[in-house]
Amino acid sequence: KAGVTQTPRYLIKTRGQQVTLSCSPISGHRSVSWYQQTPGQGLQFLFEYFSETQRNKGNFPGRFSGRQFSNSRSEMNVSTLELGDSALYLCASSPQGNTEAFFGQGTRLTVV
Amino acid sequence: AQSVTQLDSQVPVFEEAPVELRCNYSSSVSVYLFWYVQYPNQGLQLLLKYLSGSTLVKGINGFEAEFNKSQTSFHLRKPSVHISDTAEYFCAVSERTGGFKTIFGAGTRLFVKA
Repeated sequence: KAGVTQTPRYLIKTRGQQVTLSCSPISGHRSVSWYQQTPGQGLQFLFEYFSETQRNKGNFPGRFSGRQFSNSRSEMNVSTLELGDSALYLCASSPQGNTEAFFGQGTRLTVV
Repeated sequence: AQSVTQLDSQVPVFEEAPVELRCNYSSSVSVYLFWYVQYPNQGLQLLLKYLSGSTLVKGINGFEAEFNKSQTSFHLRKPSVHISDTAEYFCAVSERTGGFKTIFGAGTRLFVKA
Protein backbone atom coordinates (compact mmCIF):
# COMPACT_ATOMS: atom_id res chain seq x y z
CA LYS A 1 0.00 0.00 0.00
CA ALA A 2 1.45 3.36 -0.95
CA GLY A 3 2.04 5.80 1.90
CA VAL A 4 1.06 9.44 2.23
CA THR A 5 2.59 11.50 -0.53
CA GLN A 6 3.26 15.20 -0.20
CA THR A 7 4.36 17.43 -3.04
CA PRO A 8 6.55 19.30 -3.47
CA ARG A 9 9.18 18.31 -0.87
CA TYR A 10 10.88 21.68 -0.90
CA LEU A 11 9.65 25.13 -1.82
CA ILE A 12 11.12 28.62 -1.71
CA LYS A 13 8.73 31.56 -1.98
CA THR A 14 8.95 35.31 -1.59
CA ARG A 15 7.04 37.32 1.01
CA GLY A 16 3.60 38.30 -0.26
CA GLN A 17 3.27 35.37 -2.64
CA GLN A 18 0.87 32.49 -2.19
CA VAL A 19 1.58 28.78 -2.16
CA THR A 20 -0.36 25.55 -2.60
CA LEU A 21 0.77 22.27 -1.07
CA SER A 22 -0.63 18.89 -2.03
CA CYS A 23 -1.27 15.70 -0.09
CA SER A 24 -2.37 12.30 -1.37
CA PRO A 25 -3.54 10.09 1.49
CA ILE A 26 -3.33 6.34 1.82
CA SER A 27 -5.92 4.62 -0.31
CA GLY A 28 -9.16 4.21 1.62
CA HIS A 29 -8.36 6.89 4.20
CA ARG A 30 -11.01 9.60 4.23
CA SER A 31 -9.48 11.87 6.87
CA VAL A 32 -6.61 14.23 6.09
CA SER A 33 -5.03 16.54 8.65
CA TRP A 34 -2.45 19.26 8.19
CA TYR A 35 0.20 20.38 10.70
CA GLN A 36 2.78 23.12 10.78
CA GLN A 37 6.09 22.21 12.43
CA THR A 38 8.58 24.85 13.51
CA PRO A 39 11.48 24.68 16.01
CA GLY A 40 9.84 27.26 18.26
CA GLN A 41 6.19 26.15 18.19
CA GLY A 42 6.47 22.42 17.59
CA LEU A 43 3.66 20.62 15.79
CA GLN A 44 0.59 22.78 15.48
CA PHE A 45 -2.73 21.55 14.12
CA LEU A 46 -3.99 23.47 11.10
CA PHE A 47 -7.17 21.67 10.02
CA GLU A 48 -8.76 18.30 9.36
CA TYR A 49 -10.93 17.22 6.44
CA PHE A 50 -13.18 14.21 6.12
CA SER A 51 -15.15 13.43 2.99
CA GLU A 52 -14.55 16.93 1.60
CA THR A 53 -15.76 18.66 4.80
CA GLN A 54 -13.59 20.56 7.23
CA ARG A 55 -14.42 19.14 10.67
CA ASN A 56 -11.95 21.04 12.79
CA LYS A 57 -9.62 23.98 12.52
CA GLY A 58 -6.66 25.17 14.57
CA ASN A 59 -5.79 28.70 15.61
CA PHE A 60 -4.30 30.01 12.40
CA PRO A 61 -5.20 33.16 10.49
CA GLY A 62 -7.52 33.06 7.50
CA ARG A 63 -4.52 33.17 5.17
CA PHE A 64 -4.28 29.43 5.76
CA SER A 65 -6.96 27.46 3.98
CA GLY A 66 -7.48 23.99 2.68
CA ARG A 67 -9.77 21.74 0.77
CA GLN A 68 -10.33 18.09 0.07
CA PHE A 69 -11.41 16.52 -3.18
CA SER A 70 -13.75 13.62 -3.77
CA ASN A 71 -10.79 11.23 -4.12
CA SER A 72 -9.63 12.35 -0.62
CA ARG A 73 -6.60 14.20 -1.94
CA SER A 74 -6.11 17.46 -0.11
CA GLU A 75 -4.49 20.80 -0.73
CA MET A 76 -3.60 23.59 1.61
CA ASN A 77 -3.07 27.16 0.52
CA VAL A 78 -1.25 29.97 2.23
CA SER A 79 -1.80 33.44 0.84
CA THR A 80 0.24 36.59 1.42
CA LEU A 81 3.21 34.66 2.75
CA GLU A 82 5.14 35.98 5.73
CA LEU A 83 8.65 35.10 6.88
CA GLY A 84 7.13 33.36 9.89
CA ASP A 85 5.33 30.90 7.63
CA SER A 86 8.64 29.17 6.97
CA ALA A 87 8.13 25.68 8.35
CA LEU A 88 7.78 21.99 7.63
CA TYR A 89 4.16 21.32 6.66
CA LEU A 90 3.05 17.79 7.43
CA CYS A 91 0.02 16.00 6.14
CA ALA A 92 -1.43 12.95 7.86
CA SER A 93 -4.15 10.56 6.78
CA SER A 94 -6.25 8.19 8.85
CA PRO A 95 -9.41 6.15 8.41
CA GLN A 96 -11.52 8.18 10.85
CA GLY A 97 -9.51 11.19 11.99
CA ASN A 98 -8.91 10.49 15.66
CA THR A 99 -7.04 7.21 15.62
CA GLU A 100 -3.65 6.30 14.22
CA ALA A 101 -2.32 8.88 11.75
CA PHE A 102 0.04 8.13 8.91
CA PHE A 103 2.32 11.01 8.03
CA GLY A 104 3.90 12.11 4.80
CA GLN A 105 7.49 13.30 4.70
CA GLY A 106 6.37 16.90 4.62
CA THR A 107 6.91 19.96 2.50
CA ARG A 108 9.68 22.28 3.64
CA LEU A 109 8.55 25.83 2.87
CA THR A 110 11.06 28.66 3.06
CA VAL A 111 9.81 32.23 2.73
CA VAL A 112 12.45 34.81 1.83
CA ALA B 1 -9.92 20.98 24.81
CA GLN B 2 -7.13 18.49 25.19
CA SER B 3 -3.45 19.31 25.82
CA VAL B 4 -0.21 17.39 26.10
CA THR B 5 2.87 18.13 28.18
CA GLN B 6 6.15 16.40 27.59
CA LEU B 7 8.15 16.99 30.71
CA ASP B 8 11.64 16.78 29.23
CA SER B 9 12.80 18.65 26.15
CA GLN B 10 16.03 16.67 25.91
CA VAL B 11 17.11 13.33 27.35
CA PRO B 12 20.74 12.26 26.97
CA VAL B 13 21.44 8.61 27.77
CA PHE B 14 24.23 6.12 27.22
CA GLU B 15 23.82 3.22 24.83
CA GLU B 16 22.27 0.09 26.42
CA ALA B 17 20.89 2.11 29.34
CA PRO B 18 17.14 2.24 30.06
CA VAL B 19 15.16 5.36 29.23
CA GLU B 20 11.80 6.86 30.14
CA LEU B 21 10.23 9.77 28.26
CA ARG B 22 7.46 11.40 30.24
CA CYS B 23 4.09 12.57 28.96
CA ASN B 24 1.09 14.01 30.76
CA TYR B 25 -2.19 14.94 29.13
CA SER B 26 -5.31 16.87 29.94
CA SER B 27 -8.77 16.31 28.52
CA SER B 28 -12.38 16.59 29.65
CA VAL B 29 -13.37 13.47 27.70
CA SER B 30 -11.97 10.00 27.08
CA VAL B 31 -8.94 9.96 24.83
CA TYR B 32 -6.74 7.90 22.59
CA LEU B 33 -3.00 8.21 23.23
CA PHE B 34 -0.02 7.86 20.91
CA TRP B 35 3.74 8.07 20.72
CA TYR B 36 5.39 9.01 17.44
CA VAL B 37 9.06 9.19 16.45
CA GLN B 38 10.60 11.60 13.97
CA TYR B 39 14.04 11.11 12.43
CA PRO B 40 15.80 14.10 10.81
CA ASN B 41 14.10 15.41 7.67
CA GLN B 42 11.36 12.79 7.93
CA GLY B 43 7.69 12.72 8.78
CA LEU B 44 6.38 11.12 11.96
CA GLN B 45 6.14 7.37 12.43
CA LEU B 46 3.81 5.71 14.94
CA LEU B 47 5.63 3.88 17.75
CA LEU B 48 2.60 2.72 19.69
CA LYS B 49 -0.98 3.60 20.56
CA TYR B 50 -3.46 3.15 23.37
CA LEU B 51 -7.05 2.88 22.20
CA SER B 52 -8.57 0.60 24.87
CA GLY B 53 -7.89 -2.56 26.83
CA SER B 54 -4.60 -3.32 28.55
CA THR B 55 -2.92 -0.22 29.94
CA LEU B 56 0.54 -1.55 29.04
CA VAL B 57 1.09 -1.08 25.34
CA LYS B 58 3.97 -2.54 23.37
CA GLY B 59 5.19 -0.90 20.20
CA ILE B 60 7.88 -1.18 17.58
CA ASN B 61 11.63 -1.16 18.19
CA GLY B 62 11.27 -2.47 21.75
CA PHE B 63 9.36 0.52 23.11
CA GLU B 64 6.42 0.28 25.51
CA ALA B 65 4.17 2.74 27.32
CA GLU B 66 1.78 2.59 30.23
CA PHE B 67 -1.51 4.45 30.38
CA ASN B 68 -2.24 5.74 33.87
CA LYS B 69 -5.71 7.26 33.97
CA SER B 70 -5.52 8.53 37.55
CA GLN B 71 -2.27 10.37 36.88
CA THR B 72 -3.23 11.25 33.29
CA SER B 73 0.13 10.01 32.10
CA PHE B 74 1.42 7.94 29.21
CA HIS B 75 5.17 7.52 29.73
CA LEU B 76 7.31 5.83 27.10
CA ARG B 77 10.00 3.35 28.13
CA LYS B 78 12.72 1.22 26.61
CA PRO B 79 14.89 -1.12 28.71
CA SER B 80 18.02 -0.77 26.55
CA VAL B 81 18.53 1.96 23.95
CA HIS B 82 20.65 1.92 20.82
CA ILE B 83 22.45 4.69 18.96
CA SER B 84 19.80 4.37 16.26
CA ASP B 85 17.09 5.43 18.75
CA THR B 86 18.43 8.99 18.62
CA ALA B 87 15.45 10.99 17.36
CA GLU B 88 12.63 13.30 18.41
CA TYR B 89 9.71 11.64 20.20
CA PHE B 90 6.22 13.09 20.33
CA CYS B 91 3.36 12.20 22.63
CA ALA B 92 -0.10 12.86 21.18
CA VAL B 93 -3.74 12.72 22.26
CA SER B 94 -7.04 12.74 20.43
CA GLU B 95 -10.59 12.67 21.73
CA ARG B 96 -12.60 9.46 21.39
CA THR B 97 -15.68 11.30 20.18
CA GLY B 98 -15.87 14.44 18.14
CA GLY B 99 -12.95 16.82 17.92
CA PHE B 100 -11.25 14.97 15.11
CA LYS B 101 -7.88 16.48 15.80
CA THR B 102 -4.74 15.05 17.32
CA ILE B 103 -2.76 17.34 19.59
CA PHE B 104 0.97 16.82 19.94
CA GLY B 105 3.34 17.58 22.76
CA ALA B 106 6.39 19.76 22.19
CA GLY B 107 8.61 16.75 21.69
CA THR B 108 11.52 15.15 23.55
CA ARG B 109 14.89 14.90 21.89
CA LEU B 110 16.46 11.56 22.82
CA PHE B 111 20.21 11.55 22.35
CA VAL B 112 21.93 8.19 22.76
CA LYS B 113 25.65 8.38 23.44
CA ALA B 114 28.20 5.63 22.81
